[in-house]
Amino acid sequence: DIQMTQSPSSLSASVGDRVTITCRASQGISNFLAWFQQKPGKAPKSLIYAASSLQSGVPSKFSGSGSGTDFTLTISSLQPEDFATYYCQQYYTYPLTFGQGTRLEIK
Amino acid sequence: EVQLVESGGGLVQPGGSLRLSCVVSGFTFSSHEMNWVRQAPGKGLEWVSYISTSSITIYYADSVKGRFTISRDNAKNSLYLQMNSLSAEDTAVYYCARRGAPAGTDYFYYYMDVWGKGTTVTVSS
Repeated sequence: DIQMTQSPSSLSASVGDRVTITCRASQGISNFLAWFQQKPGKAPKSLIYAASSLQSGVPSKFSGSGSGTDFTLTISSLQPEDFATYYCQQYYTYPLTFGQGTRLEIK
Repeated sequence: EVQLVESGGGLVQPGGSLRLSCVVSGFTFSSHEMNWVRQAPGKGLEWVSYISTSSITIYYADSVKGRFTISRDNAKNSLYLQMNSLSAEDTAVYYCARRGAPAGTDYFYYYMDVWGKGTTVTVSS
């Protein structure tokens, strides 16, 4: 199975900040990577697919990059509604696997 | 509006069975592959199972293989997960998720783009 490792596991930031979350795959997955946002008690929401393509309706403050084994999610100009947990997920092959999540908290 | 609505969760004793359903609307269900994903309390996301549009191809996570069965009824716009021999480790919120992407996206980049709100399964005596 492909292991997905996110860093950091948690992150404190202030409104208006720009943050970057990293996701590393245990083997190459080309750009078959997605990012999700999850708020407490809610279902995950898709943000980015194919490593850098924005899902419809997602604001351009979210951006993704990377290919192969190393990927990043960047969120610019943080707003209160952006504080949540973020997951990366590879869909290069089954079993699909997720990173352990990065909890983004307000400083 | 695209919607996925799970149901069938509840409290079940260890060793028991439960059947989850996911009814969809707002898109052509028969054209989309589907997945089940679960999340144990306070934990991360875990993919559970996948089914192709015609049910020919099916995959399971090792943790549920031999105990869970995924199926679909395209005429009823419904996805199912039959769960047998349940244990406390199966306690989780179960989500169904569509495999898709914005119009114009190459099929190979389809991913779990739309999720239901989830149904809670609790395995306890």
